[in-house]
Amino acid sequence: GQQVMQIPQYQHVQEGEDFTTYCNSSTTLSNIQWYKQRPGGHPVFLIQLVKSGEVKKQKRLTFQFGEAKKNSSLHITATQTTDVGTYFCAGPGGNNRLAFGKGNQVVVIP
Amino acid sequence: DGGITQSPKYLFRKEGQNVTLSCEQNLNHDAMYWYRQDPGQGLRLIYYSQIVNDFQKGDIAEGYSVSREKKESFPLTVTSAQKNPTAFYLCASTFRTRVGSAYNEQFFGPGTRLTVL
Repeated sequence: GQQVMQIPQYQHVQEGEDFTTYCNSSTTLSNIQWYKQRPGGHPVFLIQLVKSGEVKKQKRLTFQFGEAKKNSSLHITATQTTDVGTYFCAGPGGNNRLAFGKGNQVVVIP
Repeated sequence: DGGITQSPKYLFRKEGQNVTLSCEQNLNHDAMYWYRQDPGQGLRLIYYSQIVNDFQKGDIAEGYSVSREKKESFPLTVTSAQKNPTAFYLCASTFRTRVGSAYNEQFFGPGTRLTVL
């Protein structure tokens, strides 16, 4: 099935700094979703990107979908302690199932 | 208050015992999913169901079984055949995707943390 790869797997970010997490696929994705899981919690849907080159913003979060629809990124500015958690991307896995990446675990240093 | 619930939150089981994890949703979703999460492994799909009385194996179905007798419920049984069952189990649900449409977002329950002693 389709696979998405996430890099990096772990990040330590100083509070107030910016960071980016990436999601890559070897094949074209019809759409991509991003989820966030807080420590001890469950994944929560953040956004879905569908169009080539699409850029969407949610306050300090900027999501991009590559022109070739093979990669996506999430950029967070002015990191806050509330940004701690694991960020997952997920692409279509066929038959209404999602193929999740392994996630990017983010630790925020106060 | 609509949502998806899982019980119990923590579960301890002795080696060799079967155990059933509960998942209930009142979102009127058609599709339901069971994932297993281990540190550094992301979310791995165990079983999923698109409609009542039908389900499909995911990527790691061995040692697990499910049923879908009601739209609202999708219980997962971890059998004694599962060699390493200690993990965090997440249930999710969503509306079925229309052909040619983008996949819908999945809603997750709070999870059950299973520990085998």
